Amino acid sequence: DAGITQSPRHKVTETGTPVTLRCHQTENHRYMYWYRQDPGHGLRLIHYSYGVKDTDKGEVSDGYSVSRSKTEDFLLTLESATSSQTSVYFCAISEPQGRGNQETQYFGPGTRLLVL
Amino acid sequence: AQTVTQSQPEMSVQEAETVTLSCTYDTSESDYYLFWYKQPPSRQMILVIRQEAYKQQNATENRFSVNFQKAAKSFSLKISDSQLGDAAMYFCAYRRGWSGGSNYKLTFGKGTLLTVNP
Repeated sequence: DAGITQSPRHKVTETGTPVTLRCHQTENHRYMYWYRQDPGHGLRLIHYSYGVKDTDKGEVSDGYSVSRSKTEDFLLTLESATSSQTSVYFCAISEPQGRGNQETQYFGPGTRLLVL
Repeated sequence: AQTVTQSQPEMSVQEAETVTLSCTYDTSESDYYLFWYKQPPSRQMILVIRQEAYKQQNATENRFSVNFQKAAKSFSLKISDSQLGDAAMYFCAYRRGWSGGSNYKLTFGKGTLLTVNP
């Protein structure tokens, strides 16, 4: 299994409070991703990083920010949590390379967030 | 934008039988990858199988195989000799091929919930 951990694994918070989720990898992969999973939607990309301090938005980035100060850590912050951000959050890592290399995204165990 | 469609929200199969899960996708690119991920009740996302679009040969991993029809943009997953442990949500996913740039996100379908009956 890829060395990916997420913390916390479960969190309950109140509307309006800031929340930070952490993804930590031991694989030295360049790319890291944050997805959210909601019933009826599959997984959708929030933000991704293609290197230290290099990040970009995904398809559902509103209300979220990210930071990556080290290769191994990718933080997802909800500046002011809302009930619509209740979801399961997955971190993924990959090392995209040219043809012939079997690039695959490996996923962390997920964080279940409930915003009351 | 790429889209991935899984038209079967739920499927069921008898233990030891074969089941096929459907996936279609839409893209204008010629170089891409397709994946099937399994998500059991533990919620862990597990890669089942991967297909490179430039390869005509269908990928196979033990009891799992795909039927990749590039012209039809179809990518179905066949599970042979189904086992109770195969019960899970299955997601089809698309990723564009390597061409420089930075975004190699996965685009997922909404999933198919597979039940295996003993």
